[in-house]
Amino acid sequence: RKEVEQDPGPFNVPEGATVAFNCTYSNSASQSFFWYRQDCRKEPKLLMSVYSSGNEDGRFTAQLNRASQYISLLIRDSKLSDSATYLCVVNRAGGFKTIFGAGTRLFVKA
Amino acid sequence: EPEVTQTPSHQVTQMGQEVILRCVPISNHLYFYWYRQILGQKVEFLVSFYNNEISEKSEIFDDQFSVERPDGSNFTLKIRSTKLEDSAMYFCASSEGTSVTDTQYFGPGTRLTVL
Repeated sequence: RKEVEQDPGPFNVPEGATVAFNCTYSNSASQSFFWYRQDCRKEPKLLMSVYSSGNEDGRFTAQLNRASQYISLLIRDSKLSDSATYLCVVNRAGGFKTIFGAGTRLFVKA
Repeated sequence: EPEVTQTPSHQVTQMGQEVILRCVPISNHLYFYWYRQILGQKVEFLVSFYNNEISEKSEIFDDQFSVERPDGSNFTLKIRSTKLEDSAMYFCASSEGTSVTDTQYFGPGTRLTVL
């Protein structure tokens, strides 16, 4: 089983749609969790950290369920500029080793 | 806004040659990382570095790889004898710490092409 697994995608949605990405992790010792976005041939950029209480940043909401070892990202009112690959990222305890999921590609169309 | 920089942006080398990829982390950061991403594949952790020593490394980071912080600003990744399969984008990252609120900031990457 992969240490971090994401929806395979791609997701094709119209502008204004709500889209949800799911991620599961296998190592229960994982301590910190993030969503990054990566544009084609660019570096990953932090979208948001994910906390047990859930957190929201504008149109983006992230949730963490430690019992189920599950992380989600919800994007509301999708924009064309949201088109990118979304990476689920998990740090082991201590944060020295970071595991990336394979990413879910999102295409938002007009 | 401070950022991680990497040089060169693209390096072409012959198989068997040594390459050094350079990174300048954000100045007050203490933790440094190298990742690679083969075209079309996921980002893979190579190594983390703190207090002038390797903190953790992956199975990819074998004896042909080494890292160094030669001075107060640069962080380098050396590949001693490049193979065709080393062709990838190499990203450097840095973070202030390793707590849950410490995020890693990535440089723009060096595209390594081994011929």
